[in-house]
Amino acid sequence: GNSVTQMEGPVTLSEEAFLTINCTYTATGYPSLFWYVQYPGEGLQLLLKATKADDKGSNKGFEATYRKETTSFHLEKGSVQVSDSAVYFCALITGANNLFFGTGTRLTVIP
Amino acid sequence: DGGITQSPKYLFRKEGQNVTLSCEQNLNHDAMYWYRQDPGQGLRLIYYSQIVNDFQKGDIAEGYSVSREKKESFPLTVTSAQKNPTAFYLCASSVKKDSYEQYFGPGTRLTVT
Repeated sequence: GNSVTQMEGPVTLSEEAFLTINCTYTATGYPSLFWYVQYPGEGLQLLLKATKADDKGSNKGFEATYRKETTSFHLEKGSVQVSDSAVYFCALITGANNLFFGTGTRLTVIP
Repeated sequence: DGGITQSPKYLFRKEGQNVTLSCEQNLNHDAMYWYRQDPGQGLRLIYYSQIVNDFQKGDIAEGYSVSREKKESFPLTVTSAQKNPTAFYLCASSVKKDSYEQYFGPGTRLTVT
């Protein structure tokens, strides 16, 4: 079956620190992988995506590389800002299946 | 501006009452979805619809019902049969069912007491 496992939060970092949020997956077939972000009180927004192995998705300084050999899609950012405080969800989709979400990781960035 | 609207943002109901959550999109998307979000559990799919007048159950459809009479509207009814209805409900849409990019509304927080 399909599943997504994210590192548990919450994660608290100081401004300009390096961020890594781990995500591993199990999937039938060849999934596309995503990171969604949810800012306080809002719905989810697509942050970045990768549709095949070795692809790197990037947006707003965030990056994630689709690693088929380790079934991972870890989210990274070199220097976080207070405005990055949010909940981050890793997700996958295969073929005509539905999106499968991880449980989310809450990030708090302090000045 | 194109997007998805959900109303109201906060909703309070007494136990035993049915309640309907609104979801409207003007993106001309064929597919629409309802998710439930609970703390520590991520998002779980309740129902989805690929086309007008058609919808399918997701992972946790029990106690919920939907309709899709218009392309732009996909209301969700939380019935009295739903045992634990208090949650944050998110509506989403995509160009088509197997499109990976889903656009989400701002959500409705339902509290049942």
